[in-house]
Amino acid sequence: NAGVTQTPKFRILKIGQSMTLQCTQDMNHNYMYWYRQDPGMGLKLIYYSVGAGITDKGEVPNGYNVSRSTTEDFPLRLELAAPSQTSVYFCASSYGTGFSYTFGSGTRLTVV
Amino acid sequence: EDQVTQSPEALRLQEGESSSLNCSYTVSGLRGLFWYRQDPGKGPEFLFTLYSAGEEKEKERLKATLTKKESFLHITAPKPEDSATYLCAVQAGETSGSRLTFGEGTQLTVNP
Repeated sequence: NAGVTQTPKFRILKIGQSMTLQCTQDMNHNYMYWYRQDPGMGLKLIYYSVGAGITDKGEVPNGYNVSRSTTEDFPLRLELAAPSQTSVYFCASSYGTGFSYTFGSGTRLTVV
Repeated sequence: EDQVTQSPEALRLQEGESSSLNCSYTVSGLRGLFWYRQDPGKGPEFLFTLYSAGEEKEKERLKATLTKKESFLHITAPKPEDSATYLCAVQAGETSGSRLTFGEGTQLTVNP
């Protein structure tokens, strides 16, 4: 049972490049989330999904896009990378209200 | 808007020196308060969920308590392996998608 798997673990992007952060879970969770974590700033919600085909914006969605074509996968797309997107990105999943999240191990992204 | 404030930002203890971490929150209709542990370079790991004022949960040297305005994470006779960042998060009944709002964390260091 792998839980939540994120790839890649590390990536360096140049300003203006695009990339997709991959996230997959094998727990049959309907709810999935993308957070970013900056030093001393806590976790901020980027996008979330309550099921396949349903996505919604979180607290800091600008510069990102998501899709949810299957229950298992929730990729995060960065278009036109900017230095402000340098951060650690965490994907998480849960059964829903009242249930804890299971987090992936994170993707450390640097935009130069 | 849901708000979570953790204090102190950092705490340094000697092995065996008990202490408490604080999490103050403002939410509309609390559905759950969550504690996570995060080790450097890793994703947050679930510790406890508390659902109503007066509830307490324990795990090894950790005990979490909840009032209507705050939660405490008590650490009894800590060991160096308890060193980590401890995150508090709330889930409110008014928000969709079962989203969690996180505090900025308390970085705990336990010296041998």
